[in-house]
Amino acid sequence: AQSVTQLGSHVSVSEGALVLLRCNYSSSVPPYLFWYVQYPNQGLQLLLKYTSAATLVKGINGFEAEFKKSETSFHLTKPSAHMSDAAEYFCAVTASGGYNKLIFGAGTRLAVHP
Amino acid sequence: DAGVIQSPRHEVTEMGQEVTLRCKPISGHDYLFWYRQTMMRGLELLIYFNNNVPIDDSGMPEDRFSAKMPNASFSTLKIQPSEPRDSAVYFCASSFLRGREGVGDTDTQYFGPGTRLTVL
Repeated sequence: AQSVTQLGSHVSVSEGALVLLRCNYSSSVPPYLFWYVQYPNQGLQLLLKYTSAATLVKGINGFEAEFKKSETSFHLTKPSAHMSDAAEYFCAVTASGGYNKLIFGAGTRLAVHP
Repeated sequence: DAGVIQSPRHEVTEMGQEVTLRCKPISGHDYLFWYRQTMMRGLELLIYFNNNVPIDDSGMPEDRFSAKMPNASFSTLKIQPSEPRDSAVYFCASSFLRGREGVGDTDTQYFGPGTRLTVL
């Protein structure tokens, strides 16, 4: 069965520092992988997704993620954090046998301080 | 498109009362999902529909919860009777099956703004 593990429920960085949010997945079939962002009091919004094309995926707001099959990882990065990046980030993987059904990780709350 | 629309945005009710949450998916989408988000349990999938038919309701916590999708543009999630432990943010999301062209981005789930439910 598919699963997602996000390492670190809380991450804190300084403005301008590198953002690295970790995601490892388990999948019995070639996965589709997603990163969603949730700003306070809002729904989830797609940041980027991997669908078996290029392994380095670029998303909105300067974020990118690299699919590494050998490490079963899909870590999210951004070179320079901005105060507006403070939010909760969710990694997700498609569930086998369930079209469009997603398995979400527990989420990582990113804090950005001046 | 206006995106996924949910109503009400906030609901406060007393234990034992019936609660009905509403969702209008994005036009052309044929999948609709109901999620619940709490601090303790995170984001949980409750049920999802394909072409208005429930496909997987294994996440529905108990018989007090029911969901319907009478047509392609409307779904409800009902809790009867409600209990304090049902307090959460309930999200609706919609998407469409990969391979279909012209209806946006395949596989991506588009989320509504959520309904914050408080049961006293």
